Amino acid sequence: QPVLTQSSSASASLGSSVKLTCTLSSGHSRNIIAWHQQQPGKAPRYLMRLEGSGSYNKGSGVPDRFSGSSSGADRYLTISDLQSEDEGDYYCETWDTDTRVFGGGTKLTVL
Amino acid sequence: EVQLLESGGGFVQPGGSLRLSCAASGFTFSSYAMTWVRQAPGKGLEWVSSTDSSGVITYYADSVRGRFTISRDNSKGTLFLQMNSLRAEDTAIYFCAQLLNSASVTWGPGTLVTVSS
Repeated sequence: QPVLTQSSSASASLGSSVKLTCTLSSGHSRNIIAWHQQQPGKAPRYLMRLEGSGSYNKGSGVPDRFSGSSSGADRYLTISDLQSEDEGDYYCETWDTDTRVFGGGTKLTVL
Repeated sequence: EVQLLESGGGFVQPGGSLRLSCAASGFTFSSYAMTWVRQAPGKGLEWVSSTDSSGVITYYADSVRGRFTISRDNSKGTLFLQMNSLRAEDTAIYFCAQLLNSASVTWGPGTLVTVSS
């Protein structure tokens, strides 16, 4: 089954940009993933579905500041013009025929 | 507006059982696959189980296979998770989510399950 690897933490300044990475395990580099945001004390929120080509489809109401891209087995989430409400945990998710997998999550701190 | 609302969580002793429900509204429930995901205190997200739109095809994580059963009542727009032989490590917030093109696109607020003696 696929494995997703994420850095445990990231930080960036208010108004700047940050790029989070989710890496697919060997043999699964073509997998489509989804990015989710979880603000403190809240349920996860779907951000986008991201293909290996770099094409992505965002969820309803997700600001234009959020974008996705891909390179090989890496899937990226870029957040521009960081706001305080962007602070939280970010998870990637993928799936296979009979299983689903989440990355360990990246805790984003907005300085 | 698409909404999901979980219920049925609570405190249970090891070896006990609970049945979680997830009430759906704002979309044609019978057309969508659904999934359960849990989050232990202070930990990340863990997939638990999924089912197709009819409820015929079901999948489980190794950690719950044989103890948990996912089902759905499409006439009532409700997803269920029957949890038996509960263990301390099953303590978590349980979320249900709507699947669209395989991605978890709508999440409920979650229900807390605590397994402790």
